[in-house]
Amino acid sequence: QLQLQESGPGLVKPSETLSLTCTVSGGSITSNNYYWGWIRQSPGKGLEWIGNIYYSGSTYYNPSFKSRVTISVDTSKNQFSLKLTSMTAADTAMYYCARGGKGGWYGNDPNWLDPWGQGTQVTVSS
Amino acid sequence: DIQMTQSPSSLSAAVGGRVIITCQASQDISNFLNWYQQKPGKAPKLLIYDASNLQTGVPSKFSGSGSGTDFTFTISNLQPEDIATYYCQQYDHLPLTFGGGTKVEIK
Repeated sequence: QLQLQESGPGLVKPSETLSLTCTVSGGSITSNNYYWGWIRQSPGKGLEWIGNIYYSGSTYYNPSFKSRVTISVDTSKNQFSLKLTSMTAADTAMYYCARGGKGGWYGNDPNWLDPWGQGTQVTVSS
Repeated sequence: DIQMTQSPSSLSAAVGGRVIITCQASQDISNFLNWYQQKPGKAPKLLIYDASNLQTGVPSKFSGSGSGTDFTFTISNLQPEDIATYYCQQYDHLPLTFGGGTKVEIK
């Protein structure tokens, strides 16, 4: 059974960079059929998709984050990671990683997200 | 970005009753719509993909329909374990976007 687990600091200072890692177990991150994604959830903004990565390293980012976000993959560790720079209080949220499906008009676009990790709460505060 | 509008934002229904949630997209998204269930303190879980296809292992009490801009999600025979917030999500255009959620409670 595929499982994902987020790890990283729960507290980040304003202007600093958030670094989170998602460890995938019960399956290989190098599957041709899936993406790997990050999503966050806050009371004010609800669920926000941050971006997806394919095991080859190709990425899709939400333009709302594009100037601040980097998603990378480490196939040797079966992990993928999120870096979000210039953190502010508005970035306080629960951060989730998830496996992403491929679909859409041409069969290669991100579509669904499942399963998700349990999430990690990130608070931005000095 | 494509805006997804869910209604109602919350509802209560009797045990054994039927729940209907609607989701409206700001533009035509064909059938590129998914539904998720999020129980309190848990991560979202995919229930339905491509508007009407049940994810493996999901009970048939959950169903979805619609295409274009208007979609419906239905729970039949509501049970206490169905208490959750339900979200729609489109994937016709990136970025993936979610509806604001519908909180379902027992009356």
